[in-house]
Amino acid sequence: QKEVEQDPGPLSVPEGAIVSLNCTYSNSAFQYFMWYRQYSRKGPELLMYTYSSGNKEDGRFTAQVDKSSKYISLFIRDSQPSDSATYLCAMSVSSSASKIIFGSGTRLSIRP
Amino acid sequence: DTAVSQTPKYLVTQMGNDKSIKCEQNLGHDTMYWYKQDSKKFLKIMFSYNNKELIINETVPNRFSPKSPDKAHLNLHINSLELGDSAVYFCASSQGQKYGYTFGSGTRLTVV
Repeated sequence: QKEVEQDPGPLSVPEGAIVSLNCTYSNSAFQYFMWYRQYSRKGPELLMYTYSSGNKEDGRFTAQVDKSSKYISLFIRDSQPSDSATYLCAMSVSSSASKIIFGSGTRLSIRP
Repeated sequence: DTAVSQTPKYLVTQMGNDKSIKCEQNLGHDTMYWYKQDSKKFLKIMFSYNNKELIINETVPNRFSPKSPDKAHLNLHINSLELGDSAVYFCASSQGQKYGYTFGSGTRLTVV
């Protein structure tokens, strides 16, 4: 079993829809949770960063962490065609220079 | 001005050859990483250096050897290339996990 599981998709939704992306994990020591967005032929870029449980909102994006269920989510409101990309969840145990473990990514397509 | 730059962007080479990928960051970060992304978009850490010191060395064949001449540079040398080495290799840097990683745009390696 992988440490971080993520549905690879692809997920296709119409423009303006609310998108929900999810990951589950097995290591209860994870404390730092991230979402990265990766456009085709580009490197991943950090989208959201949260520590421990709770919600964090940034514009159209909301990240949720439920440590009791070992489940994290990313919601995208009013989705745009420019949101079409692969979204990777990621997590780490500590805030120092330790490794980040990535999910395999969900490919998202927003239809105009 | 690119924050994390990798060269070359594309590399096509024959089995058995030796090749190097270079990475430079101008962000002043202390930690640099090499990740491998396979055809299914799964990102797996290979190595991490903190201030020129190797701190993470995952289960990677000995044919892969990283070198960090200073904290702004991290190179990856691969000996005796095999078909299974074909992937996209990403360099990244960070200053603590709080701000996540900054990735380069990747080096697409194809071994034929």
